[in-house]
Amino acid sequence: DAGITQSPRYKITETGRQVTLMCHQTWSHSYMFWYRQDLGHGLRLIYYSAAADITDKGEVPDGYVVSRSKTENFPLTLESATRSQTSVYFCASRANTGELFFGEGSRLTVL
Amino acid sequence: GNSVTQMEGPVTLSEEAFLTINCTYTATGYPSLFWYVQYPGEGLQLLLKATKADDKGSNKGFEATYRKETTSFHLEKGSVQVSDSAVYFCALGLIYNQGGKLIFGQGTELSVKP
Repeated sequence: DAGITQSPRYKITETGRQVTLMCHQTWSHSYMFWYRQDLGHGLRLIYYSAAADITDKGEVPDGYVVSRSKTENFPLTLESATRSQTSVYFCASRANTGELFFGEGSRLTVL
Repeated sequence: GNSVTQMEGPVTLSEEAFLTINCTYTATGYPSLFWYVQYPGEGLQLLLKATKADDKGSNKGFEATYRKETTSFHLEKGSVQVSDSAVYFCALGLIYNQGGKLIFGQGTELSVKP
């Protein structure tokens, strides 16, 4: 199916573990984004990517790593998870007309 | 800097009531403006957009007009339904700013009672 999909939808992990959240889009959009959504903070940009092998930091990049070896995939890795990274993570891609299309989110709990 | 301010929620209305959710923005340059809706447990869906001053975006009975003079993009609907219960986000985008990322307001929760 066309669209943007995220996996896993739900993840529980422990402090210090590595976690990777996957994002896949079928539109071949150049730009992709990772946001986190937290009560009281709204949506904040973690990282974005302009194309394969081109990534850049957003507002809150500390503790996160991204890669983009293929246009359609944009995984987000928490190298050593902390409780403050408990959040809902949204991946998005941008159409040429400017709007973003979002995945359904990955809810991460760090114990 | 660039920012979006929305009216705080939650907003509780009766079915068929008139809805207004206020949104104002601050931006350098000429942003595009968006309203997104988020239903429980789901991602954000584009509701409507406007790309230049005086444009009106509309969809599913919702409307918003891009007012440059008041830097506003208020969301309106003439008659809300229970199914409109959701969180609504106003956002701005600047194509040359960090890949055209969207800057979001805090979101306004709408609850419509039968």
